[in-house]
Amino acid sequence: EAGVTQFPSHSVIEKGQTVTLRCDPISGHDNLYWYRRVMGKEIKFLLHFVKESKQDESGMPNNRFLAERTGGTYSTLKVQPAELEDSGVYFCASSPHGQVVGELFFGEGSRLTVL
Amino acid sequence: AQTVTQSQPEMSVQEAETVTLSCTYDTSESDYYLFWYKQPPSRQMILVIRQEAYKQQNATENRFSVNFQKAAKSFSLKISDSQLGDAAMYFCAYRSTFNTGTASKLTFGTGTRLQVTL
Repeated sequence: EAGVTQFPSHSVIEKGQTVTLRCDPISGHDNLYWYRRVMGKEIKFLLHFVKESKQDESGMPNNRFLAERTGGTYSTLKVQPAELEDSGVYFCASSPHGQVVGELFFGEGSRLTVL
Repeated sequence: AQTVTQSQPEMSVQEAETVTLSCTYDTSESDYYLFWYKQPPSRQMILVIRQEAYKQQNATENRFSVNFQKAAKSFSLKISDSQLGDAAMYFCAYRSTFNTGTASKLTFGTGTRLQVTL
């Protein structure tokens, strides 16, 4: 069974440009999460999808970030326009429906560097 | 809001020895879950061990065990007989027992990088 995959693994862009990160969760997992780790700091929650619906987007930093999950399958996280403070590692995770005390299955992360 | 603190940015242990990673947290909830996740270099983060706050018995998974002190809000991870493959970033995480709204997310600490030497 394929795990959570994220693309690209590393992206280097200039301030003001746009970047789109993609996450493919484990097949059949209804829950999809985005997290971000800024260098040396804690991993912070960004948002949570249940299928195609946003369950919780309280962690999204501002309106430069847009997340979508079309058809309840893969998800994209677009940053437009990117700022220096957006640099970090963006993690995607998924879990099955109804799993109360379940583990999250993480991807390897997408490292974003904004110059 | 809950917070998780890992006060050891880096730790080192010799192969076959034992190491303890510390984690403290702050919450007003009486029931919750605690986790240790491990991220090896350039690899996916995986769950190492989990503890349910209402259980007094400390969780154990092979060479990994926790020391859960609920009153002190402490949740340390002990790795026995350390192996080279244990070298990784270790994150402590908290999750509410509620499963609706904003409660289902994990709150992480800053991580502890563990080096394993020969």
